[in-house]
Amino acid sequence: KNQVEQSPQSLIILEGKNCTLQCNYTVSPFSNLRWYKQDTGRGPVSLTIMTFSENTKSNGRYTATLDADTKQSSLHITASQLSDSASYICVVRNTGNQFYFGTGTSLTVIP
Amino acid sequence: ETGVTQSPTHLIKTRGQQVTLRCSSQSGHNTVSWYQQALGQGPQFIFQYYREEENGRGNFPPRFSGLQFPNYSSELNVNALELDDSALYLCASSLAPQAMGGTQYFGPGTRLLVL
Repeated sequence: KNQVEQSPQSLIILEGKNCTLQCNYTVSPFSNLRWYKQDTGRGPVSLTIMTFSENTKSNGRYTATLDADTKQSSLHITASQLSDSASYICVVRNTGNQFYFGTGTSLTVIP
Repeated sequence: ETGVTQSPTHLIKTRGQQVTLRCSSQSGHNTVSWYQQALGQGPQFIFQYYREEENGRGNFPPRFSGLQFPNYSSELNVNALELDDSALYLCASSLAPQAMGGTQYFGPGTRLLVL
C-alpha cells in the first residue's frame, strides 16, 4: 500500500533553534518527493523537490535529504524564525503521476 | 501570492446535492491538479489535467469529475455530495506535469461544508 508517514505530528521549538522533520514512504515506483509549507488557511507552498538521484537539496534555511534506498526523507530547518510556524507536508509522486501526501508536521516556533 | 485563484471561498451544501468549484491557474501554466484536504489531514490527490485532458487520478470515486478549459482554467465537480466530502479543496497549477519537474503553485482553496 502506498503510504507517506511523517513525524513528529507536532513540534514546538524556540526561535533560533534548529529542527528536523521526518518523512518515511512506501510509494512505489518512486518518481519524486516534495516538501511543502502550509500556513494556516493558505494553500501549500513548495519548498524543495527531490528525484531519485538527489541526496540533498537546500532552499535558504531549509535543507531536505533523501535516502531512496531506505525510503526516508528529512527536512532540516536552521535558525528557526517565528514565520516558520506552519504545517510541513511531505508529498511523494509515483511514476503513474499519482501523489501521496503525508498528514504533515505542525511546527510552532515560540519567541 | 501565487496567482492561482479559486472560487467560491466558502460553500455550504446538503447531502445529495452537486457542487462545482472553479480554479484559475497562474498565467502560462497548462497543468492543474485538484486536492481534497480534510481538517487536520494532508491533501489527497484527486486528479490532474494537462492541456484539457485528465493526466492522472487518485483514489476518488467517479462522482468526482473535472474539466480543463482552453484557457487552462479548471472545474471540479462533485455529484451526490456526502457528509465526508466536507473539506478544503485545493487547486494547484504548474508550468508542466510533475513528470517534467514542474513546481506546483496552490490557490487558497474552497472550503466546502456538506450538511
